Amino acid sequence: NAGVTQTPKFQVLKTGQSMTLQCAQDMNHNSMYWYRQDPGMGLRLIYYSASEGTTDKGEVPNGYNVSRLNKREFSLRLESAAPSQTSVYFCASKEKGPDTQYFGPGTRLTVL
Amino acid sequence: RKEVEQDPGPFNVPEGATVAFNCTYSNSASQSFFWYRQDCRKEPKLLMSVYSSGNEDGRFTAQLNRASQYISLLIRDSKLSDSATYLCVPFTSGTYKYIFGTGTRLKVLA
Repeated sequence: NAGVTQTPKFQVLKTGQSMTLQCAQDMNHNSMYWYRQDPGMGLRLIYYSASEGTTDKGEVPNGYNVSRLNKREFSLRLESAAPSQTSVYFCASKEKGPDTQYFGPGTRLTVL
Repeated sequence: RKEVEQDPGPFNVPEGATVAFNCTYSNSASQSFFWYRQDCRKEPKLLMSVYSSGNEDGRFTAQLNRASQYISLLIRDSKLSDSATYLCVPFTSGTYKYIFGTGTRLKVLA
């Protein structure tokens, strides 16, 4: 099992460009999450999907959209990137209830 | 008050030392707690789950004090490989949300 995979690993964008971060899990988990991590701050929840077909906003959703394409895949889209979106983005998944979250290796995004 | 507060450190300790970190949380409805370790520029990885008063796994012990709303992590016989940032994560059932602390940085010195 690969666990949680994310692509790309690194990305540099110019202000105003758009891109989609991909996340996939092969553990048959119901819930998937997108976080961002900035220096000196904890992981902050952008969006989550409790189950296939549902998505909900987290703590910092502005400037992002998500798609739960199927049970395996959960993508994060930046429609018009801004320098404030420079961050490390982590995708995570878990089974039901208060279970452990498993994280992908992250995408390091720089917006110039 | 922040939802989760951790001493950022760094805690610099010699190999073999015992070190403890505290984490306080504000939501009294939090029922489950997780300690994750995060190495520099890597993803968080689960160290320990705590569903009742505490948990122990080898050199690592977590203690939960619900009355005072804090959870601690004790590391005995520190190894160089324990150097990392330790994240405290309360979870409240029915919310799907995990609240991450900013982490406590540990450096184990040879």
